[in-house]
Amino acid sequence: AQSVTQLGSHVSVSEGALVLLRCNYSSSVPPYLFWYVQYPNQGLQLLLKYTTGATLVKGINGFEAEFKKSETSFHLTKPSAHMSDAAEYFCAVLSSNTGKLIFGQGTTLQVKP
Amino acid sequence: NAGVTQTPKFQVLKTGQSMTLQCAQDMNHEYMSWYRQDPGMGLRLIHYSVGAGITDQGEVPNGYNVSRSTTEDFPLRLLSAAPSQTSVYFCASIGLAGNTGELFFGEGSRLTVL
Repeated sequence: AQSVTQLGSHVSVSEGALVLLRCNYSSSVPPYLFWYVQYPNQGLQLLLKYTTGATLVKGINGFEAEFKKSETSFHLTKPSAHMSDAAEYFCAVLSSNTGKLIFGQGTTLQVKP
Repeated sequence: NAGVTQTPKFQVLKTGQSMTLQCAQDMNHEYMSWYRQDPGMGLRLIHYSVGAGITDQGEVPNGYNVSRSTTEDFPLRLLSAAPSQTSVYFCASIGLAGNTGELFFGEGSRLTVL
């Protein structure tokens, strides 16, 4: 079965601190993995994705994520949080053979001054 | 989002009324999906399609019907709306050719059922 789990529905960090948002998945076939960000009353914006190749993926706004097959994880990180990073973040897994796309429940990131 | 047209953006219904959310893509993608987004629950898959004439249920299919008569269109039908269907709905178009994992989303439809 295909599933996505985001650990922590709310994460709070201080401005300038490391951001770590956790995502674990299950998939019976090699997955494609995504991180999206959503600001209030807006649509989804792609941060980064992993399909094949290099397991460390760099995205927009200084975010990156590493695909770890042995840990079935795709955690999102950013070395230094900015106030503008406050938003909701979604991890998603896409089955490469069925086209079924599943999202995690989301993590709200709060950045404190 | 370029390539996916989702309408309407806003709709208010009374309990028991029916309506159709439209979704169209012009990228010749084989896969399309419908999601609902509710606070604290992320985006939940309602129905998805792997090609014209083929649809399947997602995580929360009850109360919704879909069809895929053409590659381009994937409408979502509410036959008898209920207040529990108040939500924001997103359509997605997915391309897997060449291992690119292309995802495009509609702008969303905010539905209120009174």
